[in-house]
Amino acid sequence: QLQLEESGPRLVKPSETLSLTCTVSGGSISDNNYYWGWVRQTPGKVLEWIGIIFYTGKTYYNPSLESRVTLSIDTSKSQFSLRLTSVTAADTAMYFCVRDASRGGTDYWGQGTLVTVSS
Amino acid sequence: EIVLTQSPATLSLSPGERVTLSCRASESHSYFLAWYQQKPGQAPRLLISDTSNRATGIPDRFSGSGSGTDFTLTISSLEPEDFATYYCQHRNNWPPGFTFGPGTRLDI
Repeated sequence: QLQLEESGPRLVKPSETLSLTCTVSGGSISDNNYYWGWVRQTPGKVLEWIGIIFYTGKTYYNPSLESRVTLSIDTSKSQFSLRLTSVTAADTAMYFCVRDASRGGTDYWGQGTLVTVSS
Repeated sequence: EIVLTQSPATLSLSPGERVTLSCRASESHSYFLAWYQQKPGQAPRLLISDTSNRATGIPDRFSGSGSGTDFTLTISSLEPEDFATYYCQHRNNWPPGFTFGPGTRLDI
């Protein structure tokens, strides 16, 4: 059974960089049928797509976040990562790492990690 | 950018009832529509992909339909575990990417 698990700091100071890693187990991160990505959910329960990455390293970002987001992937470790720069309180959210099957939907989700931006 | 509207925002129903949830897109073009269920403290769960395809393990009381700008998720007979929040998701054909609707909360 595929599992995804987020890790990283839960508290980030304003203007600093949020960094999270997702570890994939029970399946291959190099499967060319899927993208890997990040979705966040605000305290008000709004779901927002952040971006996705293919195993080759090709990335696609939400235009509203593109200037601050970088995704990367390490297939040897079965991990992919999120960096979000210049964070503000508006970036406080539950961050989920996901597997995305494109037409087949976002079919696997990590349990989520709550990141709070506060001094 | 396509905007999704879901209605109603909240719905109160009883077990055994039939319910149809609505998702409307601001424009019509080539894309895929999916539905998710989320319970408190949990990640969203994929129910329906590509408008009408049930995901693995999803009971057949869940069904999706629609075209153009109007899509629906129907639960034929509510079970106690179905009371949750439901989100629709618009997915670009190309380039890859997606947006979510604001959700409909189904209360018992």
